[in-house]
Amino acid sequence: QKEVEQNSGPLSVPEGAIASLNCTYSDRGSQSFFWYRQYSGKSPELIMSIYSNGDKEDGRFTAQLNKASQYVSLLIRDSQPSDSATYLCAVISPGNQFYFGTGTSLTVIP
Amino acid sequence: DAGITQSPRHKVTETGTPVTLRCHQTENHRYMYWYRQDPGHGLRLIHYSYGVKDTDKGEVSDGYSVSRSKTEDFLLTLESATSSQTSVYFCATRWEGHVRSGANVLTFGAGSRLTVL
Repeated sequence: QKEVEQNSGPLSVPEGAIASLNCTYSDRGSQSFFWYRQYSGKSPELIMSIYSNGDKEDGRFTAQLNKASQYVSLLIRDSQPSDSATYLCAVISPGNQFYFGTGTSLTVIP
Repeated sequence: DAGITQSPRHKVTETGTPVTLRCHQTENHRYMYWYRQDPGHGLRLIHYSYGVKDTDKGEVSDGYSVSRSKTEDFLLTLESATSSQTSVYFCATRWEGHVRSGANVLTFGAGSRLTVL
């Protein structure tokens, strides 16, 4: 079983819609969770971090964490074509190691 | 990634030749990492360092070695490159501190694309 699992997509949404990206992790002791965005040919860049159960909002982005279900999600409201990218979920394990999912490819259609 | 420089950014080499990739940081971060990224596999950890001369293996370390003689430099060496090592290599750094202050976040360099023919 992989440490972090994501639906690879591709996910397509129309401009202005909500994009929902999901991630599950296997180690119940994990404490820190991150969403990275990666444009084609570029390096990953952090867009959200979340450490507590519940929602965390930053502009059009909302990260949701449910530790009981070992589930992390990212919602992108009012999706824009510039949001088209691959989104990587990352988790820090109790052993203090980062684990990344394989990423979900998002395309926002104008 | 303004504080992390990877070199070379692109390299084409032949099977059996040695290759060294360099990561240089100006952030004074203790932790440094080398990842490779391949389609269908995502980011996989090769080696990491938690201080000068302190390194450890990641999940895909076979065929790779690393060295860290200074805080700012982390070198990844392929002793004898193989076609399976064709990949994009990312260096990353992490600073420690209270998680609420944004610590424990990985920051990536721009990447080094290696092609082994």
